[in-house]
Amino acid sequence: DTAVSQTPKYLVTQMGNDKSIKCEQNLGHDTMYWYKQDSKKFLKIMFSYNNKELIINETVPNRFSPKSPDKAHLNLHINSLELGDSAVYFCASSPPKGTEAFFGQGTRLTVV
Amino acid sequence: GEDVEQSLFLSVREGDSSVINCTYTDSSSTYLYWYKQEPGAGLQLLTYIFSNMDMKQDQRLTVLLNKKDKHLSLRIADTQTGDSAIYFCAGSYQAGTALIFGKGTTLSVSS
Repeated sequence: DTAVSQTPKYLVTQMGNDKSIKCEQNLGHDTMYWYKQDSKKFLKIMFSYNNKELIINETVPNRFSPKSPDKAHLNLHINSLELGDSAVYFCASSPPKGTEAFFGQGTRLTVV
Repeated sequence: GEDVEQSLFLSVREGDSSVINCTYTDSSSTYLYWYKQEPGAGLQLLTYIFSNMDMKQDQRLTVLLNKKDKHLSLRIADTQTGDSAIYFCAGSYQAGTALIFGKGTTLSVSS
């Protein structure tokens, strides 16, 4: 069974659309994250959720909204997509006081 | 905030050792990690080290930490073509918190 799974794996959409990326972890972890990897492969934290509570919100446009219906899921909703949003988005999870973050396989978002 | 720096490229011949270097700015980084990313794939944790350790060895991988200089290195012995990937150094203040990543080092292994 995949520990951290994201859907879809690829997403191509037009500017101005609204889209969501789903993430689920079956590890029983309390903390989940969204990271963005740009075209230069730079990885930056976007959001972190601990037991459904947002604990980090880096300087991300408010067009991005994480939604956590329960602690096994952390979805990323993006409104009014822009060309610059094209990137690979990684979901991850970690246990409390755990040393390892487990990453999903990524969602490659292309805005045209 | 934390800043993590890495050289962007490293090219080695198969069978040689590879050393990938990383420097970080925040001395309160408690956990330091090395992740590997193969083309089109996700991030795979290779190894990690606590800030109270100087060295950690795991098969072909050796991590050295110089806390005074805030320098972390990953040595891969007997580098193979399958080791070609991007290697990311990352740090976190405490377990279970978000990782701050370096820009990644692309390792190219030629036969």
